[in-house]
Amino acid sequence: QQQVKQSPQSLIVQKGGISIINCAYENTAFDYFPWYQQFPGKGPALLIAIRPDVSEKKEGRFTISFNKSAKQFSLHIMDSQPGDSATYFCAARGAGGSEKLVFGKGTKLTVNP
Amino acid sequence: ETGVTQSPTHLIKTRGQQVTLRCSSQSGHNTVSWYQQALGQGPQFIFQYYREEENGRGNFPPRFSGLQFPNYSSELNVNALELDDSALYLCASSPAGGPRTDTQYFGPGTRLTVL
Repeated sequence: QQQVKQSPQSLIVQKGGISIINCAYENTAFDYFPWYQQFPGKGPALLIAIRPDVSEKKEGRFTISFNKSAKQFSLHIMDSQPGDSATYFCAARGAGGSEKLVFGKGTKLTVNP
Repeated sequence: ETGVTQSPTHLIKTRGQQVTLRCSSQSGHNTVSWYQQALGQGPQFIFQYYREEENGRGNFPPRFSGLQFPNYSSELNVNALELDDSALYLCASSPAGGPRTDTQYFGPGTRLTVL
């Protein structure tokens, strides 16, 4: 119930293309869904986040689509650039009093020039 | 940069030893969480501290313990190290406003290797 399943494990796109990463969850008590970007040797950095009462959120080239009934959410990176090459993690905030984040296993994105 | 620093950057220990990892948050960030990230995996929640009290714990044994200090620094202590403890340990802090503020700022992590 506390799992977040992320796919694909790896993704290769051409510069200018659209990168799409998907996540699914089971626990309907999750109330906050962030996406993190992690470069090698660095900690995860918050990219964009959404709450379940919103179906889509866009910030620049990054868009989260959220389907509450299907318990799925996805990250779309428009006009992908080589500098976007990193590992992306979806996460969900657990129920209860703490800030506990449950992370997916990550997607390694490679954007070819 | 997130303003969250961790030390040391890398650490090598032997099985059975004890280790202390340190984290320094931004001023005013009174919530800190610790995560373990094994190679090729997503971070896993260890525990959270809010105003120097433990405020939630993940599925980790008691040999993982923590402290949070009034100066916005914190520690993760691991006793009786096991080979599987080899991982990147991340701390994340949240601004004041309660333990469920949305944004968590991650530090760069400490890479622990247990031989």
